[in-house]
Amino acid sequence: NAGVMQNPRHLVRRRGQEARLRCSPMKGHSHVYWYRQLPEEGLKFMVYLQKENIIDESGMPKERFSAEFPKEGPSILRIQQVVRGDSAAYFCASSPGGGGHSYEQYFGPGTRLTVT
Amino acid sequence: AQSVTQLGSHVSVSEGALVLLRCNYSSSVPPYLFWYVQYPNQGLQLLLKYTSAATLVKGINGFEAEFKKSETSFHLTKPSAHMSDAAEYFCAVRDSNTGKLIFGQGTTLQVKP
Repeated sequence: NAGVMQNPRHLVRRRGQEARLRCSPMKGHSHVYWYRQLPEEGLKFMVYLQKENIIDESGMPKERFSAEFPKEGPSILRIQQVVRGDSAAYFCASSPGGGGHSYEQYFGPGTRLTVT
Repeated sequence: AQSVTQLGSHVSVSEGALVLLRCNYSSSVPPYLFWYVQYPNQGLQLLLKYTSAATLVKGINGFEAEFKKSETSFHLTKPSAHMSDAAEYFCAVRDSNTGKLIFGQGTTLQVKP
């Protein structure tokens, strides 16, 4: 059973370009969480999605950031018009369930975004 | 709101010594607590989790943690540190509504030969 897959592992973008980060959850998992790890900071929740639904986006910046998890295909985290402050490691985690359960989340290797 | 505080951003121990990484939580409901480890340039790997079944939880790589409700703590321990334990460790509580993880700031463990 393959783990959570993220691609690309490393992404370099110039200021103003768009960044697309992909996450394929573990087989059988329909719950996806995105987290961001900024330099010298801990991991911060961004968004929680189920297939075709955004459940909680309370951690997403109000502008330029969006996420989706279509019926078919990977979850996508999209950052428009990137700025240097977006440089960070972005992690995706998947889970067999959500809400107030004890399900653990399985993390992907992350995408390290560098904005030049 | 639920939260987690990790005391000590850096901990240094000698190889073979006891490892103790501290984590305190705040939660108005019975919490689900997790410890993750992150090696450089890698993702997070689950070490162990507390789900109310037992207060002493054993995890991988010889780590264990004890849930103490009276102290609102979930400290991570390992009797004898190994060089390969050098990494960053994160304590997290699972949000009771959405399931998102709320992380502490992390503790970097250094193991000296």
